[in-house]
Amino acid sequence: DTGVSQDPRHKITKRGQNVTFRCDPISEHNRLYWYRQTLGQGPEFLTYFQNEAQLEKSRLLSDRFSAERPKGSFSTLEIQRTEQGDSAMYLCATVRGDTHSYEQYFGPGTRLTVT
Amino acid sequence: KQEVTQIPAALSVPEGENLVLNCSFTDSAIYNLQWFRQDPGKGLTSLLLIQSSQREQTSGRLNASLDKSSGRSTLYIAASQPGDSATYLCAVRQGSTGGFKTIFGAGTRLFVKA
Repeated sequence: DTGVSQDPRHKITKRGQNVTFRCDPISEHNRLYWYRQTLGQGPEFLTYFQNEAQLEKSRLLSDRFSAERPKGSFSTLEIQRTEQGDSAMYLCATVRGDTHSYEQYFGPGTRLTVT
Repeated sequence: KQEVTQIPAALSVPEGENLVLNCSFTDSAIYNLQWFRQDPGKGLTSLLLIQSSQREQTSGRLNASLDKSSGRSTLYIAASQPGDSATYLCAVRQGSTGGFKTIFGAGTRLFVKA
């Protein structure tokens, strides 16, 4: 257990529905990342927060995706009008801000299945 | 554009064997390289982090090296055990417009036979 938690761990939804995932970081970690991982591939960067500011978004993050980190603590990732291609593992990772090591600590992930 | 490649994609070895996993990257302008372990259906566990100024890091039976100029890193696992069976991912951290981003390889799936 890295100290980063994600909820839910599994989500099955029908195409067209909206889903929201939550990530709770390690308390002193001010940097938070979202990744998507499909079977047999490494994680792909989606978006990055430093405190409550969303500083970068990948081109993978289409208009149907939105992420927030309202108070610089937990973060949510919402997918609207889900498509079958959204089926993947969604991973959250956090980094302690006052260190130069930038070591990432990952949560257990949320596995999304769109039927 | 940074590309990270891991070879081999899969590896099966008998218990007790020493083994080397390879990671290569195309852009040497990296801040660090991190090796992770991932068990099926689970998140990533950090194994070793090598800063760009370092050549290697060791933790128990694991040793990771970094040759930034040639764009290569290796993860050496000594005296492999069935519990080492997992996917091993390497990731490089580099600058980007918003700060930093991490690029992952596709991983090496390791199976250690008892």
